[in-house]
Amino acid sequence: DQQVKQNSPSLSVQEGRISILNCDYTNSMFDYFLWYKKYPAEGPTFLISISSIKDKNEDGRFTVFLNKSAKHLSLHIVPSQPGDSAVYFCAARATQGGSEKLVFGKGMKLTVNP
Amino acid sequence: DAGITQSPRHKVTETGTPVTLRCHQTENHRYMYWYRQDPGHGLRLIHYSYGVKDTDKGEVSDGYSVSRSKTEDFLLTLESATSSQTSVYFCAISESMRLSGNTIYFGEGSWLTVV
Repeated sequence: DQQVKQNSPSLSVQEGRISILNCDYTNSMFDYFLWYKKYPAEGPTFLISISSIKDKNEDGRFTVFLNKSAKHLSLHIVPSQPGDSAVYFCAARATQGGSEKLVFGKGMKLTVNP
Repeated sequence: DAGITQSPRHKVTETGTPVTLRCHQTENHRYMYWYRQDPGHGLRLIHYSYGVKDTDKGEVSDGYSVSRSKTEDFLLTLESATSSQTSVYFCAISESMRLSGNTIYFGEGSWLTVV
C-alpha cells in the first residue's frame, strides 16, 4: 500500500513553460517532504524540501507547495529548461521505531522539449 | 559530491548464487542505507545501519543481509540471488538521524541482473 503516490508517470512540457509535478500522501504523520531529481545512470540528488508546518518553499526556479488538509504537494518549475529533463521522486519523512525513514513515490519522468 | 563509492557498478549473475554489493564512504557518516529502485515502485529501503555492527531491516529486507564491520563500509548480500532481485541498488549515507535534503546523500547505483 503506497503511502506516497505520484500518479502520473510522465510529463512533457515546452521549454520556458511551467512544469507541475504532483504528489499525494496518506500518512498524516509525515513531517517533512523532499523532492529528488534523478538523471539516468546517476543517483538521486536533492532538489528542494518543505516542512509540514509550512505551505510553500521557494528556491530559484523551483517552488514546492504543501496542502496538508488535502495531503498533497506539488513541485513547480518555472521556467522549465531542457536540463530539467529527469525523473523526479517525491519523498516523505516518517519516524518509526525511534529512527527516521524516507518513503518514496514511484517517480515521474519529466521531459522538457526545446 | 559526497564521497560514496558503490561496487560493482554493474553485475550479471546466475540465479542461486550469492552476490555482495559494497558501499564505501569517505565522509565518516554514522548512518548508511541500502535502497532498491524498480519501475513502478520508486526507491524502497532494504536495510540500514546506525553504526558499526548496528543494522536493522527496512521494508523489503527478505532475501538480503547486511554487514557493517567498519564505519566506511556497508555490505549488502543477496544470499541466493533470484530474478526478482534484478534491480538498481542505491547506497545512501547520512551524518544525522534527522533526515533532510542536506543530510542524506545517494551513491550512483549498482545495476544487478539475475539470469
